[in-house]
Amino acid sequence: DAGITQSPRHKVTETGTPVTLRCHQTENHRYMYWYRQDPGHGLRLIHYSYGVKDTDKGEVSDGYSVSRSKTEDFLLTLESATSSQTSVYFCAISESVVRSYEQYFGPGTRLTVT
Amino acid sequence: SQELEQSPQSLIVQEGKNLTINCTSSKTLYGLYWYKQKYGEGLIFLMMLQKGGEEKSHEKITAKLDEKKQQSSLHITASQPSHAGIYLCGADHNQGGKLIFGQGTELSVKP
Repeated sequence: DAGITQSPRHKVTETGTPVTLRCHQTENHRYMYWYRQDPGHGLRLIHYSYGVKDTDKGEVSDGYSVSRSKTEDFLLTLESATSSQTSVYFCAISESVVRSYEQYFGPGTRLTVT
Repeated sequence: SQELEQSPQSLIVQEGKNLTINCTSSKTLYGLYWYKQKYGEGLIFLMMLQKGGEEKSHEKITAKLDEKKQQSSLHITASQPSHAGIYLCGADHNQGGKLIFGQGTELSVKP
């Protein structure tokens, strides 16, 4: 199994509060991704990173920001959480641009915004 | 995403029966990826298909890519309870490192 951890695994927060989710990898992979999974929508890409300090938006990036200051860590921040951001969040990594679609996923973070 | 449609959305089969899940893309496929997700866990990569007509197997799971139809099918032979979970297809639409995923097919296998 690829070494990917996510923290926290579960979080309940109130509307309007900031939240940061962390993804940590031990594989030294260049590419990292944040997805959210919701019933009926499958997985949707929020942001991704193609190197340290290099990030780009996915299809549902509004309300989210990311940072990657080290190869191994990719942070997802909800500046002011809303109930619509209640979801399960997955981090994924991939090795290179050639194999960028063979992605390995973390265990997920279940976030509830009340 | 409507760019990638999976069918059926859910499936209940008796142990030992065969089943097929389909994934159809509305855009040109440059690659098709199958993942399995156990309840409450992350996704596990199953296989990647890149060429038309390509067929790959992983244990009792076989997937095939029909490039002309922009469709992939995933077939499970002699299903077992361990096959239960959510199967997702992901497509490479040549968007530079980004995959689009289908909404998933939830499979239950009755003992």
